[in-house]
Amino acid sequence: IAGITQAPTSQILAAGRRMTLRCTQDMRHNAMYWYRQDLGLGLRLIHYSNTAGTTGKGEVPDGYSVSRANTDDFPLTLASAVPSQTSVYFCASSAAGGGTDTQYFGPGTRLTVL
Amino acid sequence: GQNIDQPTEMTATEGAIVQINCTYQTSGFNGLFWYQQHAGEAPTFLSYNVLDGLEEKGRFSSFLSRSKGYSYLLLKELQMKDSASYLCAVTDSNYQLIWGAGTKLIIKP
Repeated sequence: IAGITQAPTSQILAAGRRMTLRCTQDMRHNAMYWYRQDLGLGLRLIHYSNTAGTTGKGEVPDGYSVSRANTDDFPLTLASAVPSQTSVYFCASSAAGGGTDTQYFGPGTRLTVL
Repeated sequence: GQNIDQPTEMTATEGAIVQINCTYQTSGFNGLFWYQQHAGEAPTFLSYNVLDGLEEKGRFSSFLSRSKGYSYLLLKELQMKDSASYLCAVTDSNYQLIWGAGTKLIIKP
């Protein structure tokens, strides 16, 4: 593994189903982030974690939850998917939190909720 | 509210120079990033400015004026592979990163 990996690459999901998007980094970065990217909109922060064991809400947290049990993994869970959650989801990490460190992005997960 | 403005789309010719502007209105300022994103791929870091002035890195340069709430990304000697979206992002006073919607740059031969 080099950098950040995400799984799955893409997924089609029925509305109401539960889904977990996985994210793993091997750079020993303290901070990790989940974004969604929709056409015509900038990256929007869903949740973040500045260090293992802590998480925080971003701009659009409703309908999503995260956990940070260790440094490397930061899964994002959709408890009951809705069509408005159709988007491309990017996981990112940075050496430190606080918005002044370069963020490194995973390849993304393309999610379609029908 | 917080806002970052970039042109939606720009077109330029291979070998030419293009300037992509970014204006921001945020609650405070703690730095400005430029990222490049090719279609279907993840954003990748290009530059970071926290002080006024020009930062040059090869064919790419980034300029910042904090008093004007303004930055630009200058791309020289354009190549076809420079066709991508360019994202401007500002760190506000709460150390949150605010992202612009991005500028899609189309390079024509």
